Parts: sequence; C-alpha cells; structure tokens
Amino acid sequence: EPEVTQTPSHQVTQMGQEVILRCVPISNHLYFYWYRQILGQKVEFLVSFYNNEISEKSEIFDDQFSVERPDGSNFTLKIRSTKLEDSAMYFCASSEVGSYTEAFFGQGTRLTVV
Amino acid sequence: SQQGEEDPQALSIQEGENATMNCSYKTSINNLQWYRQNSGRGLVHLILIRSNEREKHSGRLRVTLDTSKKSSSLLITASRAADTASYFCATGYYGNNRLAFGKGNQVVVIP
Repeated sequence: EPEVTQTPSHQVTQMGQEVILRCVPISNHLYFYWYRQILGQKVEFLVSFYNNEISEKSEIFDDQFSVERPDGSNFTLKIRSTKLEDSAMYFCASSEVGSYTEAFFGQGTRLTVV
Repeated sequence: SQQGEEDPQALSIQEGENATMNCSYKTSINNLQWYRQNSGRGLVHLILIRSNEREKHSGRLRVTLDTSKKSSSLLITASRAADTASYFCATGYYGNNRLAFGKGNQVVVIP
C-alpha cells in the first residue's frame, strides 16, 4: 500500500542551527502538507503546498520556515534557525486534489532542539 | 475557531467491549476524518465522512456525523488490545485543504 515516508525519524539539533526534514509523499498525490505536534498537544497545521507553491500557511509558519519540492518525489521543510520551542513531532501528509480527499500522514520526524 | 474538539476522554475498556468517542466542532465543515495514533508514532487514517453523510462503516469502525449538532462519534466494536491508541478527529473545510485536529482520546483496551 502506498505510504508517506519521512526521514529522519529522530533529529537532535542545537538551538540556532538549520534543519531540513524530508518527506516522500504518495506518488499520485498533488497536495502536500506539514503539520506538527508538540508533546502532549494537538496536531497543528503548518503549511500546504500545491502546484509548486504554498497554497496556505498558518500563523506558526513564519519566516523561519520554508518548504520546497526539490525534485519529483521529495518535499522538504526547512527551519532556518531552530528554537527550543520548535521541538515537536513534525508530520508530512499528502492528498489527492478534490473536495473530499483523505490526507495520509507519514510516521513523523521527532525534532529535539537543545 | 475552526477546530475539531473531542470530549477529553481517557477510556479504559475490556477486550471485546465497544468503545465510543465523540468530537464536536464549531463551524460548518466539508468533511471529518478520524485518525489513530499509537504512542509516539504516526497518524493512521481511519475513515472520512463527508458533510452530506450521516453514517459510515469500515470494518469494526462506525462513524456518525450530525451536522445540526456539529458533532461526530467513532465507535469501535469488539475492541482488541491492538486498538489501544489515541484517536483524533480532524475537520476539513470548504475552500482549503487544511485539517483542524482535536486533542485526542486515549483508549486503553485491557486484554
């Protein structure tokens, strides 16, 4: 069964460092997303991406964040200068285009900023 | 705000029993999706119910949607120890593809 894959599964980084989280969405999906879940809290929407551009972003997704689809399969989230409060589980998701489409999530990358 | 909100429940049930959890939301939705998350792991999609549907089944799962009450329920019948997880509802809206997640319900199925 097709699935969304994310790498790495865990990442520990020093405060102020840049991190890139990687995702391979399901191959025939055209909408891609990043969400995050701070420990013990809700899953929060960060950004959606369609047709090689950001289609929507939340207030969390500030200038420290960027997304990119560098090739035909990968979708990345970059955090330029990490802060302690960026520590969270980051989920990539993808979906087909349409009004009633299921979003399928990857296993997540646990980011710890120290 | 546009958010799914589960009743903050921690259910502990015996294997074989049914588990029911609820979700409410505040504004009109396009669809509602339920996800399962095993401890610290990824989100597994369970079922999507459209705003014009009232009930949907998938295996041992039954989801209802009452748009007049802005609420949904997820029923797991004949629970198994492997059903132990957190269950989240997430609401989708017209005009965008973002999902708004609730806080989740922790379900523990005792063998």
